[in-house]
Amino acid sequence: KAGVTQTPRYLIKTRGQQVTLSCSPISGHRSVSWYQQTPGQGLQFLFEYFSETQRNKGNFPGRFSGRQFSNSRSEMNVSTLELGDSALYLCASSSSRTSGGRDTQYFGPGTRLTVL
Amino acid sequence: AQKVTQAQTEISVVEKEDVTLDCVYETRDTTYYLFWYKQPPSGELVFLIRRNSFDEQNEISGRYSWNFQKSTSSFNFTITASQVVDSAVYFCALSEAKAAGNKLTFGGGTRVLVKP
Repeated sequence: KAGVTQTPRYLIKTRGQQVTLSCSPISGHRSVSWYQQTPGQGLQFLFEYFSETQRNKGNFPGRFSGRQFSNSRSEMNVSTLELGDSALYLCASSSSRTSGGRDTQYFGPGTRLTVL
Repeated sequence: AQKVTQAQTEISVVEKEDVTLDCVYETRDTTYYLFWYKQPPSGELVFLIRRNSFDEQNEISGRYSWNFQKSTSSFNFTITASQVVDSAVYFCALSEAKAAGNKLTFGGGTRVLVKP
């Protein structure tokens, strides 16, 4: 089975711009979660989508948004980029048919975003 | 709120030595799940092991073993006979059964350097 794929792998943007990151989950997985990793804050949960609905959300400003398509692929959007948004953005998928955190999440290689 | 603490920021060992990584967690949930992930320099988080809170049996899988002690809220991970390829950052993570969907709370990570 192919793993989680993320595109692009690297991205350079300037302050004020917006960016869209894409994630394709493992075939058959319906849950997609997004995480931000920075040296200062570590790994932080952004949000999770399941069957095209946001099921859980972390403590991030509204500039961070996402969506999921009927084929389970997900996109994450960050508007009005700030320098502090520079990070590795990781996507994870799980087969999760129910809530409750019991499913193992499998991660993609990440998108490294640099904001200048 | 849940919290995961990895007190060791970096561990350096010589090949073939054993390495034990400490993880302490906090949660109010009675049912939860604990994970260890490995992040090599490539950036992708690789799933290693998972433990349910209601199963305290400790196990060994190849060179990996773990010690889950509910009484002290600890979930320690040991690599036996370390190899250079084990050099990576290791993350302990927690998800709660009462949470909506899947949300992992990560510790700050422990960087392991295995020298030849």
